[in-house]
Amino acid sequence: GQQVMQIPQYQHVQEGEDFTTYCNSSTTLSNIQWYKQRPGGHPVFLIQLVKSGEVKKQKRLTFQFGEAKKNSSLHITATQTTDVGTYFCAYSSDYKLSFGAGTTVTVRA
Amino acid sequence: DTAVSQTPKYLVTQMGNDKSIKCEQNLGHDTMYWYKQDSKKFLKIMFSYNNKELIINETVPNRFSPKSPDKAHLNLHINSLELGDSAVYFCASSPSTDSGNTIYFGEGSWLTVV
Repeated sequence: GQQVMQIPQYQHVQEGEDFTTYCNSSTTLSNIQWYKQRPGGHPVFLIQLVKSGEVKKQKRLTFQFGEAKKNSSLHITATQTTDVGTYFCAYSSDYKLSFGAGTTVTVRA
Repeated sequence: DTAVSQTPKYLVTQMGNDKSIKCEQNLGHDTMYWYKQDSKKFLKIMFSYNNKELIINETVPNRFSPKSPDKAHLNLHINSLELGDSAVYFCASSPSTDSGNTIYFGEGSWLTVV
């Protein structure tokens, strides 16, 4: 069935550096959502992308939906310790939201 | 105010026991879910209810039985617990089943089976 692959699985970042995590699908997605889960916490909605080529920004976070609506990316600039956690992309199909495996981010101070 | 609340937060129990996790949402949403998160953080949907009716059952073993007495509550009962049931169980809700709805998660119930 349809699924998304998130890469990398783990991202170790030096504080202040930028990084990007990717979410790739083999099929066209109607929309993509991103969630963040802090260590010991629960997933929290960050953003939804719907349109082909859409780009949305939240402070240091930039989310992009590919032109073919098969991939998405999350770029974080000037990483801070508050960015620690697991970032999930999720897609809607068959009345449910299915999640990628997540990218777990750790930050070196 | 807690939007989606679930109890207990932590549960340690022996194999073979039966346990329940309760969930309530005060968001007025029509749809509620149970997700299971394993030790590798993979989030997998187990069940979805819309207005008290089961709409998704993702081939979960019969030992898991959800119950929705009303659209604000979705409880999960687990019979004959096994070691592999150890995980974090998240209750969640969304306004409806429409594609693109945001999902609001509870804080999770950490289940450890020993």
